[in-house]
Amino acid sequence: DTAVSQTPKYLVTQMGNDKSIKCEQNLGHDTMYWYKQDSKKFLKIMFSYNNKELIINETVPNRFSPKSPDKAHLNLHINSLELGDSAVYFCASSQGVGGPTGELFFGEGSRLTVL
Amino acid sequence: DQQVKQNSPSLSVQEGRISILNCDYTNSMFDYFLWYKKYPAEGPTFLISISSIKDKNEDGRFTVFLNKSAKHLSLHIVPSQPGDSAVYFCAARRPNAGNMLTFGGGTRLMVKP
Repeated sequence: DTAVSQTPKYLVTQMGNDKSIKCEQNLGHDTMYWYKQDSKKFLKIMFSYNNKELIINETVPNRFSPKSPDKAHLNLHINSLELGDSAVYFCASSQGVGGPTGELFFGEGSRLTVL
Repeated sequence: DQQVKQNSPSLSVQEGRISILNCDYTNSMFDYFLWYKKYPAEGPTFLISISSIKDKNEDGRFTVFLNKSAKHLSLHIVPSQPGDSAVYFCAARRPNAGNMLTFGGGTRLMVKP
């Protein structure tokens, strides 16, 4: 039973298209995140939501719009896709924004390829 | 500006020996440091963490050492096993930043039987 699940796992699309990646967690956590792993393999925070409220937006272009319909879901919509958006996107969750150790639980990742 | 760095992209170790993975950071405000392990086609999974007020934390075969004056931490795996072969990410947490973690670029560990 997957704790943090993302769909789709693979996405290939053309430049200029709009696409969404969905994330759901069944851990009962109240905070969810999107991280981007670029070609250099660094994992970089994009957004963080706590109880459906945006708490972190790390200088991500406006083409990226997260949406949290409830605290178990955090979806990522990307408009006007560009080549540089090609990456692996990881969803994660945690209990609380200032939990004792900062431990995050990650999904398996969604590999986006923009042609 | 990369605040967390793992300068060794890969490390190869014989089974049964010690693996030492290193991590350097620049931001003295980090209050927690974590190590994550990642297998191909999977998300990172939490391995071990250490508070900035400690200098050592041990969990079974895994020990993390923190040297605050040098802004350096290391993960020791003893004894190394083939199943430990994975990419290891060092991460650091900023206090009052919503559990936001800053990750290093990862080190690929290969444990040879």
